[in-house]
Amino acid sequence: DAGVIQSPRHEVTEMGQEVTLRCKPISGHDYLFWYRQTMMRGLELLIYFNNNVPIDDSGMPEDRFSAKMPNASFSTLKIQPSEPRDSAVYFCASRNYNEKLFFGSGTQLSVL
Amino acid sequence: GENVEQHPSTLSVQEGDSAVIKCTYSDSASNYFPWYKQELGKRPQLIIDIRSNVGEKKDQRIAVTLNKTAKHFSLHITETQPEDSAVYFCAALSNDYKLSFGAGTTVTVRA
Repeated sequence: DAGVIQSPRHEVTEMGQEVTLRCKPISGHDYLFWYRQTMMRGLELLIYFNNNVPIDDSGMPEDRFSAKMPNASFSTLKIQPSEPRDSAVYFCASRNYNEKLFFGSGTQLSVL
Repeated sequence: GENVEQHPSTLSVQEGDSAVIKCTYSDSASNYFPWYKQELGKRPQLIIDIRSNVGEKKDQRIAVTLNKTAKHFSLHITETQPEDSAVYFCAALSNDYKLSFGAGTTVTVRA
């Protein structure tokens, strides 16, 4: 298995633009998590899904952020409109019943 | 929700010495405690984990201990090597399936 796959690896955009981050979890994993990592706030959980259903989105900072999981092998995190303070590394991670969480390579987002 | 505190925030050790990182958690229902290593520009990678029914676990040069009563757990790295230099995160899984992370410890191994 190739592990959790995220795209793009790097995204540079201008304030006000829409940003879409993509994730393919490990096959067979039924939990998918989106994290944001910054120096100031560390690793923050934004939202997680179980069997494609959003379970807890209490970490989503604002209505500008939305996430979907249309099927078991794909999820997106969208920011519209983006702001400079959204600049961070966004990680997707997945796990199955045995609780071991595996991270993707992350998307480095820079909003100018 | 769960709150995980991690100390120290930075740790510098001489190659060959031991490194210890300590974490405390707040939710007594938490039952799974993984440790992640993150090298610069890379993803966090699971290096060892422990469940609440176990007090200690060892894997080569790394070991983790858990004290459920005191709600704290620790990572021990023995015979440190330059490749151990990284940021280490502890985490705790509460019964809402959310993994809460500590703030991280930057470990530097001096040659």
